[in-house]
Amino acid sequence: DIQMTQSPPSLSASVGDRVTITCRASQGISNYLTWFQQKPGKAPKSLIYGASTLQSGVPSRFSGSGSGTDFTLTISSLEPEDFATYYCQQYHSYPLTFGGGSDVDIK
Amino acid sequence: EVQLLQSGGGLVQPGGSLRLSCAASGFTFRLYAMTWVRQAPGKGLEWVSTINNTGGTTRYADSVKGRFTVSRDNSKNTLFLQMDSLRAEDTARYYCARGSDTHDWGQGTLVTVSS
Repeated sequence: DIQMTQSPPSLSASVGDRVTITCRASQGISNYLTWFQQKPGKAPKSLIYGASTLQSGVPSRFSGSGSGTDFTLTISSLEPEDFATYYCQQYHSYPLTFGGGSDVDIK
Repeated sequence: EVQLLQSGGGLVQPGGSLRLSCAASGFTFRLYAMTWVRQAPGKGLEWVSTINNTGGTTRYADSVKGRFTVSRDNSKNTLFLQMDSLRAEDTARYYCARGSDTHDWGQGTLVTVSS
């Protein structure tokens, strides 16, 4: 199974900050990676697929990069609605696997 | 607009069964694989199962293999998850999602396994 390791598990940030979350795969997954946002009590919302392609309707302050084993989600300037938990997921091979999540909260 | 409307959760005793449904609209259902993901209370996301667009290929997590069955009715744009021999550790919110890249998600349905 491919293990997905996210870091940091949590971070505190302020509105306007640049935030970076990383996801490392235990083996190469090309660009078969997606990033989600989840708010408490809500379903996950897909932000990015193919490691770097923004989903329709997702603000351009979100961006993704990486290929192979190392990936990054960047929020260029944090907005109040961005405080949430972020997950990565690989869809290169089964079983599909998720990172452990990164909680972004208010400093 | 893509919509995935879920139903069928609830409280069930250990060893019991439940069937979850996910009614899809806003896209050509028969062209897409579909995935089930679950989230135990306060925990992260866990992949459960994926079915290909025709229903001819199914995949399961080891934790549910032999107990859960995924299926679909492309004539009714509906995805199903039959859950048998339920255990306490199956307690979670279950989500359906479009594709193996989980492009769009349902609202989730809570399954509680308890006596």
